[in-house]
Amino acid sequence: QVQLVQSGAEVKKPGAAVKVSCKASGYTFTNYYHHWVRQAPGRGLEWMVMINPTGGSTRIAQRFQDRVTLTRDTSTRTVYMELSSLRSEDTAVYFCARDRRGSGLDPFDIWGQGTMVTVSS
Amino acid sequence: EIVLTQSPGTLSLSPGERATLSCRASQSLSTNYLAWYQQKPGQAPRLLIYDASSRATGIPDRFSGSGSGTDFTLTISRLEPEDFALYHCQQYVTSPTFGQGTKLEIK
Repeated sequence: QVQLVQSGAEVKKPGAAVKVSCKASGYTFTNYYHHWVRQAPGRGLEWMVMINPTGGSTRIAQRFQDRVTLTRDTSTRTVYMELSSLRSEDTAVYFCARDRRGSGLDPFDIWGQGTMVTVSS
Repeated sequence: EIVLTQSPGTLSLSPGERATLSCRASQSLSTNYLAWYQQKPGQAPRLLIYDASSRATGIPDRFSGSGSGTDFTLTISRLEPEDFALYHCQQYVTSPTFGQGTKLEIK
């Protein structure tokens, strides 16, 4: 079964960092770009970052340039997203997603279940 | 960054009616790289339409997409109870961006 399974909910204090994992199964991991998208409570979707399936290079949305790091472990088929210097506005559900055709300029056809990250003092 | 504006913000209709949702881009999407997603509360988005008018696998044919350039439309020909949800458009011509969403609610 093609799926992405994410790690569980996190509660962090302002200024801390959070690392969320996304484990792929049911397809060839290195054939597809993987992305992270977040959704603040009651808000729309916001694309954050994507990772190239072959070389592992990343492209990051401008507003997250200094705070997000995306890594992957091809042996475990897992992508990790780390967001640092957390603030209350980062409270959101974070989704990982796979692109449909593996080209990088693609819609997202497989999504993880989402990970709630709460930033609170 | 390409900005997508969805309208209306909320659409109130009854089952059996036709729904028309709009997505306007701040610049032309020359490749028609536009997608539509459906999202229900507590769930991840589901891909409905890609490349402006192609239905994703398993999507009923009551869902259709149209448009080009800067103006795109998602049409649901005859609403079923399970269609009432939040709908997002997304462009993937450059680094992806999403619209702010249209909530389709039961009238």
